[in-house]
Amino acid sequence: DAGVTQSPTHLIKTRGQHVTLRCSPISGHKSVSWYQQVLGQGPQFIFQYYEKEERGRGNFPDRFSARQFPNYSSELNVNALLLGDSALYLCASSSRDTNTGELFFGEGSRLTVL
Amino acid sequence: AQSVAQPEDQVNVAEGNPLTVKCTYSVSGNPYLFWYVQYPNRGLQFLLKYITGDNLVKGSYGFEAEFNKSQTSFHLKKPSALVSDSALYFCAVRDGVNYQLIWGAGTKLIIKP
Repeated sequence: DAGVTQSPTHLIKTRGQHVTLRCSPISGHKSVSWYQQVLGQGPQFIFQYYEKEERGRGNFPDRFSARQFPNYSSELNVNALLLGDSALYLCASSSRDTNTGELFFGEGSRLTVL
Repeated sequence: AQSVAQPEDQVNVAEGNPLTVKCTYSVSGNPYLFWYVQYPNRGLQFLLKYITGDNLVKGSYGFEAEFNKSQTSFHLKKPSALVSDSALYFCAVRDGVNYQLIWGAGTKLIIKP
């Protein structure tokens, strides 16, 4: 079975632009979480979706939004990009929404904002 | 405030020696604790978790972790290090309020031949 897949793997944007990152969870997993990992730091939680409903939101500005589709794939959108948004964006899937079990991570989308 | 601390930015160990990567936490309620490993330019991989039960938890690749409630610690250990264990290790705890994971800043583990 395929693992968590994310696209694109790398992208370069300029300040003020918009970006959409995509994630396909492991088959059968209904929970998708998004994390931002800045170089040299641990992941920071952005959003969690379970069964297409938002289950959690981290301390990120409203420029960040996400959604989950009927097939459980997910998109993370970031508007009005800032230099500080440069990071590795990680998607993780799991079978449950309570974060008591293993999260399965994709390899991430590395965003560079110039 | 709920938090995770990994006090060492880097740990250096000779191959074959035991290794310990430290983690302390602060969380309301019962702690749900995790260790993940990240190889260069890759996502994170699950190593082990503590939910309840035995304080010594065994995980993937020969790693284990010891939960110490009185010291609020969850240190990662391995009896004999391999060069291939060199990577970035993250400790995480589940927030007792919103159930999301709070992550430490990571510890770079370097195993020298």
